[in-house]
Amino acid sequence: QKEVEQNSGPLSVPEGAIASLNCTYSDRGSQSFFWYRQYSGKSPELIMSIYSNGDKEDGRFTAQLNKASQYVSLLIRDSQPSDSATYLCAISGAGSYQLTFGKGTKLSVIP
Amino acid sequence: GAVVSQHPSWVICKSGTSVKIECRSLDFQATTMFWYRQFPKQSLMLMATSNEGSKATYEQGVEKDKFLINHASLTLSTLTVTSAHPEDSSFYICSANDSQETQYFGPGTRLLVL
Repeated sequence: QKEVEQNSGPLSVPEGAIASLNCTYSDRGSQSFFWYRQYSGKSPELIMSIYSNGDKEDGRFTAQLNKASQYVSLLIRDSQPSDSATYLCAISGAGSYQLTFGKGTKLSVIP
Repeated sequence: GAVVSQHPSWVICKSGTSVKIECRSLDFQATTMFWYRQFPKQSLMLMATSNEGSKATYEQGVEKDKFLINHASLTLSTLTVTSAHPEDSSFYICSANDSQETQYFGPGTRLLVL
């Protein structure tokens, strides 16, 4: 049974700070890693994808992957109130299109 | 990123009726689409995997005769909730994989069964 663990939060950070969201997973064979953002009442929106160890940056977002530690994180720099949402970590294995989701971390950015 | 649409966005129906929800990939072809359900303040629950031209694969506990899935083309999958009851009221979300195996979500359909 594949498991994806996230701290449910809420995680509160002041505007302009760095928000750090973490995710661990149980399946060592996992190959693809995604972060989705879900605003209340809306469907998930893809923020980042990462496939190899290290960091991947896209604007204010940085995804970090460490396969040896089975850990993936998302950093949001210069956090804005509009970043307040639930962030979902999702993972798929080799040859599988199916995603396993964490339960999400609720982020609140305080103005 | 790729665009996935859903129709309708809202539906209210009487208990016992059937409701069809459409999911379309607008700018890419999707051999695989997924249907999720999300109850308030809960996480996404995968209901089924829809494969173009073949039968859908349902997750444990999801009744295939109640939730009919048809994936007749590379851009369209439909979910029909048959004989809907109030407990079927939920947020139904589809997603589709692009050629890079990245999953994009539709905007969701909110179903209310009275």
